[in-house]
Amino acid sequence: EPEVTQTPSHQVTQMGQEVILRCVPISNHLYFYWYRQILGQKVEFLVSFYNNEISEKSEIFDDQFSVERPDGSNFTLKIRSTKLEDSAMYFCASSGTMKNEKLFFGSGTQLSVL
Amino acid sequence: GENVEQHPSTLSVQEGDSAVIKCTYSDSASNYFPWYKQELGKGPQLIIDIRSNVGEKKDQRIAVTLNKTAKHFSLHITETQPEDSAVYFCAASQNSGNTPLVFGKGTRLSVIA
Repeated sequence: EPEVTQTPSHQVTQMGQEVILRCVPISNHLYFYWYRQILGQKVEFLVSFYNNEISEKSEIFDDQFSVERPDGSNFTLKIRSTKLEDSAMYFCASSGTMKNEKLFFGSGTQLSVL
Repeated sequence: GENVEQHPSTLSVQEGDSAVIKCTYSDSASNYFPWYKQELGKGPQLIIDIRSNVGEKKDQRIAVTLNKTAKHFSLHITETQPEDSAVYFCAASQNSGNTPLVFGKGTRLSVIA
C-alpha cells in the first residue's frame, strides 16, 4: 500500500538553528500538507500546498517557516531559526484529487529544540 | 474559523463492549468529517469518513453518524478488541474549499481484556 514517508524520524537542534524536514508524498497525489502535534495536544494545521504554491496557511506558519517541492517527489518544511516552542511532532500528509479530503499522514518527525 | 470539540478525552471499555466518541463542529460550511486512529509513535491513520450529504456510514465494526442541523458527528465502535486501543481524532473540513482539516483534541480509548 502506498504511504507517505518522512525523514528523519527524530531531529535534535539548537535554538536558532535551521532545520529541514523531508517528506515523500504518495506519488500520484496532488495536495500536500504539514501539520504538527505538540506532545499530548491536538494535531494542528500549518500549511497546504498545491501546484507548486501555498494554498492555505495557519497563523502558526509565520515568516520563519517555508515549504518547497524541489523535485517531483520531495516536499520539505524549513524552519529558519528554531525556537524552543517549535518542539513538536511534525506530520506531512498528502491527498489525491480532492483538497482537504482523505489525507494520508506520514509517521512524523519528532523535532526537539534545545 | 472552524472549531472542533471532542468528548470524552479518555474512554475505557471492556473487550466486546461498544465505544462512542462524539464531536461537534462550528462552521456550517464544513462538509467532510473523517476519523483518524493514532497508535503510539505513528501518524494518524484514516479509518472512516463521511460527507455532509450522508447521515450514516458503516464499515464492519465502525460506524459514523452525522447530524448537520446540530453540527454533531459520532464514531461508534462495536465489539471492541484490545487492538482498538489508541487515540482517536475527529476532524472537519470543507473539501475543495479553503477550510483545512481541523482536528479535535482526541480521545484515548483503552479496551480492557
